[in-house]
Amino acid sequence: GENVEQHPSTLSVQEGDSAVIKCTYSDSASNYFPWYKQELGKRPQLIIDIRSNVGEKKDQRIAVTLNKTAKHFSLHITETQPEDSAVYFCAALGGGQGFSFIFGKGTRLLVKP
Amino acid sequence: DAGITQSPRYKITETGRQVTLMCHQTWSHSYMFWYRQDLGHGLRLIYYSAAADITDKGEVPDGYVVSRSKTENFPLTLESATRSQTSVYFCASSELGMGNQPQHFGDGTRLSIL
Repeated sequence: GENVEQHPSTLSVQEGDSAVIKCTYSDSASNYFPWYKQELGKRPQLIIDIRSNVGEKKDQRIAVTLNKTAKHFSLHITETQPEDSAVYFCAALGGGQGFSFIFGKGTRLLVKP
Repeated sequence: DAGITQSPRYKITETGRQVTLMCHQTWSHSYMFWYRQDLGHGLRLIYYSAAADITDKGEVPDGYVVSRSKTENFPLTLESATRSQTSVYFCASSELGMGNQPQHFGDGTRLSIL
């Protein structure tokens, strides 16, 4: 089945700097990769996603890149702000388990003012 | 997203008791999921359902039972609760198979088993 590795587990940056979170997946049949942001005590919320027919997608300060050959995808946050502080999860939609999402273990991002 | 609601939000119970967590969605999504979230483990899939009357095991199904008699409801039952099942439980729904859509999560149920 699918396995998703996420790094780093914690990331601390200065306000205004960029942050990069990386995920690797094992199932070459995976074709959809969402990213979720979870603030303390709240539900995970989708911030951006990418499909396997696209190499990069941007939405204002957030971008996601996908390398299907290497089976990894990354979240890039530019000009970070304190409100970006949260836990970020990557996920991969694998067909091996009959269509279900497999999540990485999360990255706790702290943006210091 | 107000379209998916979980109840109760908080629950305290004792070991050996049966407890049911409710999940209701108003989007008519085909797929529904139950996850548990524990420190150091992220979100782990317990069970999912592709449609009414179709359910399948996820990564950590032991000790849990699900049913889906109606598309909009997907209850999760702990038949005999154990302390190791203390966790935050999230329900999610998705319309997979139509361009691969994201999951939408409920607010979660914080379950403590004493």
